[in-house]
Amino acid sequence: KAGVTQTPRYLIKTRGQQVTLSCSPISGHRSVSWYQQTPGQGLQFLFEYFSETQRNKGNFPGRFSGRQFSNSRSEMNVSTLELGDSALYLCASSLAPQGDRDTQYFGPGTRLTVL
Amino acid sequence: DQQVKQNSPSLSVQEGRISILNCDYTNSMFDYFLWYKKYPAEGPTFLISISSIKDKNEDGRFTVFLNKSAKHLSLHIVPSQPGDSAVYFCAALNTGNQFYFGTGTSLTVIP
Repeated sequence: KAGVTQTPRYLIKTRGQQVTLSCSPISGHRSVSWYQQTPGQGLQFLFEYFSETQRNKGNFPGRFSGRQFSNSRSEMNVSTLELGDSALYLCASSLAPQGDRDTQYFGPGTRLTVL
Repeated sequence: DQQVKQNSPSLSVQEGRISILNCDYTNSMFDYFLWYKKYPAEGPTFLISISSIKDKNEDGRFTVFLNKSAKHLSLHIVPSQPGDSAVYFCAALNTGNQFYFGTGTSLTVIP
C-alpha cells in the first residue's frame, strides 16, 4: 500500500507570493491533517479535514487555508508569504478523525523556503 | 502556548544502555499520549501510545510511562541501538480535539 505523498518536496518562494502544497493520503484514509514544523517549535497543528469538511483549526492566521477533495486528497494554501513561513510542512492521514485516536501516518513533508 | 514540552533538545547514549526521553504537559484534559520517531528527510512514524487509564505500556524494547499527577510522560528504550538515533516527538490528544506535539528530542546512540 502506498504511503502518504506530498508534492512538491522542496519549494522556494519570495515574500508576498502565495503557495499551494498537495497531500495524497493513504488509500482509504479520509482524514488529512496538516502541521508546520519549525526548529524550536516542534509540530504545530494547522488544520484537519475529514470527508471534505474542516474539523479543527489550529492557531494560525487566515493566510493559511486548506481544502479536501472528494478523493480525500488535500491542498494547503498560504497567501502573502512571510519570512517566518519558512518551515517543513507535514501532512498526515488516518482512517478516522484525530479525536478517535486513530494512528496518523505522515508524509515526508514539503520544505518551504521564503526569501 | 506550548501545551506539550520536551525540555531536552538532545540526548546521547551508549549502545546497549537505556535511553530515557521525557515529556511534560500542562493540559489535564489530555487522555491519550503517543511517541513518534523521525528520521531526516522522512515524516514522523508512530512508535507507541498510552491511554490515561494506564500508567505503562510496553512494545518490545520500547516502554512508555505515564505519571498523571505529575503530568509527565517518558519513553524508555532498552537496549538502545544505533538505528534508534532519530528525533523523538511526544504528542497528546484531548478527545474530540487535535494532537499537540512537543518540540522533539534528538537521540544519538553511540556505537
